[in-house]
Amino acid sequence: EAQVTQNPRYLITVTGKKLTVTCSQNMNHEYMSWYRQDPGLGLRQIYYSMNVEVTDKGDVPEGYKVSRKEKRNFPLILESPSPNQTSLYFCASSLAGGLNRDSTDTQYFGPGTRLTVL
Amino acid sequence: KQEVTQIPAALSVPEGENLVLNCSFTDSAIYNLQWFRQDPGKGLTSLLLIQSSQREQTSGRLNASLDKSSGRSTLYIAASQPGDSATYLCAVLSILTGGGNKLTFGTGTQLKVEL
Repeated sequence: EAQVTQNPRYLITVTGKKLTVTCSQNMNHEYMSWYRQDPGLGLRQIYYSMNVEVTDKGDVPEGYKVSRKEKRNFPLILESPSPNQTSLYFCASSLAGGLNRDSTDTQYFGPGTRLTVL
Repeated sequence: KQEVTQIPAALSVPEGENLVLNCSFTDSAIYNLQWFRQDPGKGLTSLLLIQSSQREQTSGRLNASLDKSSGRSTLYIAASQPGDSATYLCAVLSILTGGGNKLTFGTGTQLKVEL
């Protein structure tokens, strides 16, 4: 089954304790991205990756890191989490990004990770 | 900068009603527009994608239209059912100067269909 998976689904942690949220897709998609969703603000892009070893900042990258060593995986790293990073996080993928994208390209989303930083 | 607005923010209707959700965007340079459904605590499911060259798309009881020149899209749900209760999100894939692209989401319409 074609899907985007995220782990963990729920996480409660304390300020300053490094954490990683994993994301994996099995569709051989080139483009992957991370979003956070907050009430009243909608979904905002944190980072995206157009292909292996190619990553770039989205709208709200502060406090986050990513890496893309393999095509299927795109982990989100919080080196020193703070309470304002409490949010619902989504990983997404699509067939292509950048100049290769066309008007039929659909985004597929993972189930979300609810993060609480105390 | 692309901005996407959805009206209304919340809607409650009795079962069986036909309803319309609205989405507007400020920049007409887009690849496509997608409508998503989000159930509480869950991820996003793509419902319909309308390419920039198209006017509408249909899937079952759902029909989405796109008027790129006026920056508007509507999602029409026919004969609503309690199972349609969810948040509906509109997202626009914009063309950026220099060849890039960006997906911008609206804040959603929370729909409740009552028995």
